[in-house]
Amino acid sequence: DGGITQSPKYLFRKEGQNVTLSCEQNLNHDAMYWYRQDPGQGLRLIYYSQIVNDFQKGDIAEGYSVSREKKESFPLTVTSAQKNPTAFYLCASSRSLVQGKYSNQPQHFGDGTRLSIL
Amino acid sequence: AQSVTQPDIHITVSEGASLELRCNYSYGATPYLFWYVQSPGQGLQLLLKYFSGDTLVQGIKGFEAEFKRSQSSFNLRKPSVHWSDAAEYFCAVGAMNYGGSQGNLIFGKGTKLSVKP
Repeated sequence: DGGITQSPKYLFRKEGQNVTLSCEQNLNHDAMYWYRQDPGQGLRLIYYSQIVNDFQKGDIAEGYSVSREKKESFPLTVTSAQKNPTAFYLCASSRSLVQGKYSNQPQHFGDGTRLSIL
Repeated sequence: AQSVTQPDIHITVSEGASLELRCNYSYGATPYLFWYVQSPGQGLQLLLKYFSGDTLVQGIKGFEAEFKRSQSSFNLRKPSVHWSDAAEYFCAVGAMNYGGSQGNLIFGKGTKLSVKP
C-alpha cells in the first residue's frame, strides 16, 4: 500500500543537539510538508517542498532545516537554535496541481514523530 | 488573508446522538474544502472533500458535510455518533496562490470531540 512513513515514532533530544526526523513517501507525490502540532494550536507549517531540490519556509521555519534531494524523502532537522522543540511533528504529501489559482489537492499524512527534550 | 475558523474548541456529545461540527472560511470564490480526523497520537485522515457540484458531500465513517456559500460554511455532520468517533477534527481550505508561506491547504485549529457513554 502506498503511504507516508515517519520515523522514529518517539525521539529524545539533549539540550544543544540537532536531531533529524525522517519522512518517506511512495505515493509519487511532488509536494511534501512538515507541520508542528502543539496542544490547542492546530497545525503550524514549518517547511514545504513542491519539487526536488526546492523548498519554501512556512510560518515557523526558524530553528529548523530541510532538504529534498529525492522525490520520496523530505527529512526535517530540528537544530539547537529551536528553543522549544518539544512537540508532535507531522509530515504530509500531496500532488502539486492547482486548479486555476487555488490548490485543490488533499494532503496525505504520516503517523507523526513525538520529540521530547531530555 | 485566507483563514478557516472552527468556533468550537471542544464538544461533548452522547453516544448515539447527532453531531455537527462548524467550519467557516474567508474566501472570495468557490473554495476547495476538506475535513480531516485525527485520533490521539496519529496523523490526519481525510474524511471528505468538496470541489463543486452537489453541496452535500458524503465521506467515510458515515460523515457528511454541507457547503453553504451564503454562510461561508462547511459543517460536518453525523446522524449517530459512536464512541470510536472521539478524536480531533480539522477543516481545511485550498490555498490561493500556492507558493506562499501557507502551503497548499489552510487548516482550522481543530475541534476536539468527546463522546459520553
